[in-house]
Amino acid sequence: NAGVMQNPRHLVRRRGQEARLRCSPMKGHSHVYWYRQLPEEGLKFMVYLQKENIIDESGMPKERFSAEFPKEGPSILRIQQVVRGDSAAYFCASFPRSGESTDTQYFGPGTRLTVL
Amino acid sequence: KQEVTQIPAALSVPEGENLVLNCSFTDSAIYNLQWFRQDPGKGLTSLLLIQSSQREQTSGRLNASLDKSSGRSTLYIAASQPGDSATYLCAVRGSSNTGKLIFGQGTTLQVKP
Repeated sequence: NAGVMQNPRHLVRRRGQEARLRCSPMKGHSHVYWYRQLPEEGLKFMVYLQKENIIDESGMPKERFSAEFPKEGPSILRIQQVVRGDSAAYFCASFPRSGESTDTQYFGPGTRLTVL
Repeated sequence: KQEVTQIPAALSVPEGENLVLNCSFTDSAIYNLQWFRQDPGKGLTSLLLIQSSQREQTSGRLNASLDKSSGRSTLYIAASQPGDSATYLCAVRGSSNTGKLIFGQGTTLQVKP
């Protein structure tokens, strides 16, 4: 998982500010997943993206959260007007391709967001 | 809706013991099941991946089994070491083609020297 890069590793925001979390997948991977780990909870799926496409956003909160994966550059998870309940670890995972049962997702080190 | 449960939530054992971590899932229509390790403040490392057609996978001191019909998987760790101390997460890739993983809440293992 050393190949998946996330930054920043730690992010502190005040309520009402915006948070931008970046994820660079492993070289050659064009699929990215975002997961959120709330304190004392397991990881929950948020969104699945291919380059320039959102494939599945069934785990995304309806408001304030958005994600993109442009043709060039990292995937971005954006949280507008953060609230204390957004404090969590956000993990990105990259995947070589879809549809293969033997493929594993490679996880980044995560971004730990703290909302004051 | 797929739900994944892991028991126990925490486990403390002396070094050298063999131990078993349990994972259960409610929908048997899965593509595969994975066991991950998570160290404090770190990301996830994949330990073992069992395809839906397989019954077990082994890697070193780790052995994972899968019983799809009963919705259960176990992770067996032989001759535990202090370096095995971590949180172990079970995740299933469900029947959707998107490949998203559904995680259990994890078992936090402490191996005492």
